[in-house]
Amino acid sequence: KNQVEQSPQSLIILEGKNCTLQCNYTVSPFSNLRWYKQDTGRGPVSLTIMTFSENTKSNGRYTATLDADTKQSSLHITASQLSDSASYICVVSALAGNNRKLIWGLGTSLAVNP
Amino acid sequence: NAGVMQNPRHLVRRRGQEARLRCSPMKGHSHVYWYRQLPEEGLKFMVYLQKENIIDESGMPKERFSAEFPKEGPSILRIQQVVRGDSAAYFCASSPRTGTEKETQYFGPGTRLLVL
Repeated sequence: KNQVEQSPQSLIILEGKNCTLQCNYTVSPFSNLRWYKQDTGRGPVSLTIMTFSENTKSNGRYTATLDADTKQSSLHITASQLSDSASYICVVSALAGNNRKLIWGLGTSLAVNP
Repeated sequence: NAGVMQNPRHLVRRRGQEARLRCSPMKGHSHVYWYRQLPEEGLKFMVYLQKENIIDESGMPKERFSAEFPKEGPSILRIQQVVRGDSAAYFCASSPRTGTEKETQYFGPGTRLLVL
């Protein structure tokens, strides 16, 4: 069964600190992995996307890694800011015939406190 | 280039009424996706449409729910005879094309449906 599991479920850190969010998946056949940020009351916004051959991708203070062998990904946030408070969702794309099917994780809820 | 637009942003219905949610994709996008998000839960895929075609409706309840994406106009998600359990945020996303490995879905702000 295709699944995406994220940890921790929620996280509280102080402004300026770094943090790492985890994503484990059992999705086959794998196409790509994305991280989305969803602010409260808004739609998700794409942060990074990685295919099988890519093992790291950065977007400003966000750096995602992918280990396709162990089927794990992480999202590292550097020098956190209050505006980083949001839900971070790992989404894995599986090949389904001529289409791709997205399997969504439940997200990690991050709170950055002053 | 305006983003994905959804309306209404908030919708209140009484049990048994119909809810119609609209989504206008980004300019140039011909693929539309609908998701439902229950309070404190993740997004759940409902349906994937291209112009005038339903490509994948595996996530949509068999009864009371329907979706369309006509040649002209917005995509519509229609919920008939709403029940309290339909209360959720409904997000629409669009993408320019599929078949590419890195196509990204761009999300609208969502419609929050409350069934009384």
